[in-house]
Amino acid sequence: ETGVTQTPRHLVMGMTNKKSLKCEQHLGHNAMYWYKQSAKKPLELMFVYNFKEQTENNSVPSRFSPECPNSSHLFLHLHTLQPEDSALYLCASSQDLPGGGWHNEQFFGPGTRLTVL
Amino acid sequence: GENVEQHPSTLSVQEGDSAVIKCTYSDSASNYFPWYKQELGKGPQLIIDIRSNVGEKKDQRIAVTLNKTAKHFSLHITETQPEDSAVYFCAASRREGAQKLVFGQGTRLTINP
Repeated sequence: ETGVTQTPRHLVMGMTNKKSLKCEQHLGHNAMYWYKQSAKKPLELMFVYNFKEQTENNSVPSRFSPECPNSSHLFLHLHTLQPEDSALYLCASSQDLPGGGWHNEQFFGPGTRLTVL
Repeated sequence: GENVEQHPSTLSVQEGDSAVIKCTYSDSASNYFPWYKQELGKGPQLIIDIRSNVGEKKDQRIAVTLNKTAKHFSLHITETQPEDSAVYFCAASRREGAQKLVFGQGTRLTINP
């Protein structure tokens, strides 16, 4: 596997279900990101992890719970979602310096298409 | 916080012609401006980026210009080809801390043969 992979590619779930999205990066990067892409909105940053530490929670509802067990893996745990949460969820990674500095390219995975019934 | 506006939302050009997509940003502290191309069923892919210490960058048929004073940057694609058809996104982020990209709304570019 190369680059950034995401599983599953498609997911249909009911509002009472609990599911998890998985992301894995094979690039040796130190930062990982979750984005939400809806039909009528621009890409929205949800969470940022730098060196496995969550550094950004962009006012995301608590029904979305991220987990970063190591610098190569990122999960998004989902529970009691709403139909408006249906979207494409994208994971990305980058190699950035701690504390800031010039930013580098973010590499995106293919996304998980989530449908909440 | 940062706000990025992108225009036009759709653009249709004849093959071989040039295409220009424009973005404006609101945060004067933003210093990194990437452009992404997203094809159907795929995640966005970086095609070119520019940092605030330069005004222009070119890579073959693609170029980006940055005007820090006016807070706008543009993507220029010359000699367009059918494979350039996709959705293009601009984005901006600040230098401090983790990279937090704020994206524009996207431009659906169609190249007509």
